[in-house]
Amino acid sequence: DVKVTQSSRYLVKRTGEKVFLECVQDMDHENMFWYRQDPGLGLRLIYFSYDVKMKEKGDIPEGYSVSREKKERFSLILESASTNQTSMYLCASSLSGGGNYEQYFGPGTRLTVT
Amino acid sequence: AQKITQTQPGMFVQEKEAVTLDCTYDTSDPSYGLFWYKQPSSGEMIFLIYQGSYDQQNATEGRYSLNFQKARKSANLVISASQLGDSAMYFCAMRERVRTASKLTFGTGTRLQVTL
Repeated sequence: DVKVTQSSRYLVKRTGEKVFLECVQDMDHENMFWYRQDPGLGLRLIYFSYDVKMKEKGDIPEGYSVSREKKERFSLILESASTNQTSMYLCASSLSGGGNYEQYFGPGTRLTVT
Repeated sequence: AQKITQTQPGMFVQEKEAVTLDCTYDTSDPSYGLFWYKQPSSGEMIFLIYQGSYDQQNATEGRYSLNFQKARKSANLVISASQLGDSAMYFCAMRERVRTASKLTFGTGTRLQVTL
């Protein structure tokens, strides 16, 4: 079974702090994704990576950056956390190429910025 | 740009009844795919079913089927014989190829509650 793990289920940070959210997958997937989920808005893509050291902006990249130094790990960085970044953050991974391109999700990190 | 619309914020269904969750989409890409995911209160996203734009038949997976009407740009999820464990948020999503990845655009979701 594909397993996607996230470093924390719950996180509380102060405004202005630098925040790292870590995601690790164990199935050798090429693609990894970071979403945020807010009530009434569904999931919105922040950034994704299709290969090591490669990244692409999603729909809402402002205020975030990412890092992918190893294939299995994809980090989301909030350089200076703000209260409007309080949200549920979901990481996902998928294979490239043929097939149904299913994304496998981690359990999520609920981040509160005070 | 791709767009997914789910117009039902919440739905109720009685146990053992069938329910249809609506999803419409918009894209100019002739090659696309549509997904449905379930998110129980525990928060994990569970893949349910996939339909490719060139698939001739509607996708089915157990009690889940996808009513794909290409001309109407709709991809409704049908759950037959509802169970209490089906109570959850349901998200429709569409894929778009970017580089070698498939980027997903999600709808806002429908909260389904199954009652006795």
